[in-house]
Amino acid sequence: DVKVTQSSRYLVKRTGEKVFLECVQDMDHENMFWYRQDPGLGLRLIYFSYDVKMKEKGDIPEGYSVSREKKERFSLILESASTNQTSMYLCASSSEWGEETQYFGPGTRLLVL
Amino acid sequence: GDSVTQMEGPVTLSEEAFLTINCTYTATGYPSLFWYVQYPGEGLQLLLKATKADDKGSNKGFEATYRKETTSFHLEKGSVQVSDSAVYFCALIGTYKYIFGTGTRLKVLA
Repeated sequence: DVKVTQSSRYLVKRTGEKVFLECVQDMDHENMFWYRQDPGLGLRLIYFSYDVKMKEKGDIPEGYSVSREKKERFSLILESASTNQTSMYLCASSSEWGEETQYFGPGTRLLVL
Repeated sequence: GDSVTQMEGPVTLSEEAFLTINCTYTATGYPSLFWYVQYPGEGLQLLLKATKADDKGSNKGFEATYRKETTSFHLEKGSVQVSDSAVYFCALIGTYKYIFGTGTRLKVLA
């Protein structure tokens, strides 16, 4: 069964802290994505990666960075967390562009105080 | 640029009522179209998809038809259940990324 896992379901951090969100997929997918989900705004793409060590900015990359050292793992980094980064973060993966379905993890709800 | 517009919620229905959630899109060419569902406390999961004009996607009693003429992909179900309560997202694959609508929350009352 296809699986995308995220390191934490809930996280509470202080303003200014460096935050790491981890995502792992077991489907040998090429593409991985990070979104944030906010009420009334739907899903907004932060970064995506189509290969190991490759990354592309999405719609809202400011304040975030990513790392993809291995095919199965895609990390989202908040360099200096701020209160406006309080949100639900969703990781997803897909095998290729075109018709392919995205598979999502359960999400990490991050609260920055 | 590519975009997806779906009806705002929340939508509240009684059990066994008919459901329609509207979705229209703007895109170059003919992208694949999707409906995803998010149950409380979970990530999104694929509900159904259609890859070309006039295709009908269906799953769990839900249906949606890819209408090129009206650039629409409306989600329908003939008889909703309490267990269908969730947030529904319409989406398409754009040139370099997936585009999601803002989501429509459905609440079904027993």
